[in-house]
Amino acid sequence: DAKTTQPNSMESNEEEPVHLPCNHSTISGTDYIHWYRQLPSQGPEYVIHGLTSNVNNRMASLAIAEDRKSSTLILHRATLRDAAVYYCILRDWTTSGSRLTFGEGTQLTVNP
Amino acid sequence: DGGITQSPKYLFRKEGQNVTLSCEQNLNHDAMYWYRQDPGQGLRLIYYSQIVNDFQKGDIAEGYSVSREKKESFPLTVTSAQKNPTAFYLCASSTTLKAGHRGYTFGSGTRLTVV
Repeated sequence: DAKTTQPNSMESNEEEPVHLPCNHSTISGTDYIHWYRQLPSQGPEYVIHGLTSNVNNRMASLAIAEDRKSSTLILHRATLRDAAVYYCILRDWTTSGSRLTFGEGTQLTVNP
Repeated sequence: DGGITQSPKYLFRKEGQNVTLSCEQNLNHDAMYWYRQDPGQGLRLIYYSQIVNDFQKGDIAEGYSVSREKKESFPLTVTSAQKNPTAFYLCASSTTLKAGHRGYTFGSGTRLTVV
């Protein structure tokens, strides 16, 4: 599986935008970029995914570099409830199982 | 509302005993997955199933067993052969179709402690 690299931790202030980076230099043409987040003692929650174009949904935006070797999850106005571990994951739909492989993610702290 | 249910939320087991964790989903998802999470770590895949009566080993299958007799259910048995079973166990499900895909749906987890 292609690997992703994320910073271990990031901090933000409440109501400010947050940009969470992810590097995936070995991404293949069929890999989709997925983001999940996990609150303490809960299961991960799907945030957003994309292939080549930037994507927006009610939770966040995903900006994908033109060469697809990196991406950025954007939370437009951080709230205290956004404090979580954020995982950037590559999913290849052509392989059997299309399994997700989780790294250690980025711990986001949001300061009031 | 559709969702995925794991039970129990907390489970205590004596050393040498097998224990089964339940996972049920009513999302009509074909694929189901079991992950293990240790403190401060990411998730590691134990087993997954793409279709009823079929499943594959993940990265850390030793000491675990599963069955997939019904689409809705994917129970995980932690056997006495698992050397360090104390962990947070997460079940997930997903569609196997790319169209309309909305990612995995996770349960709220079972925290297993061996005493």
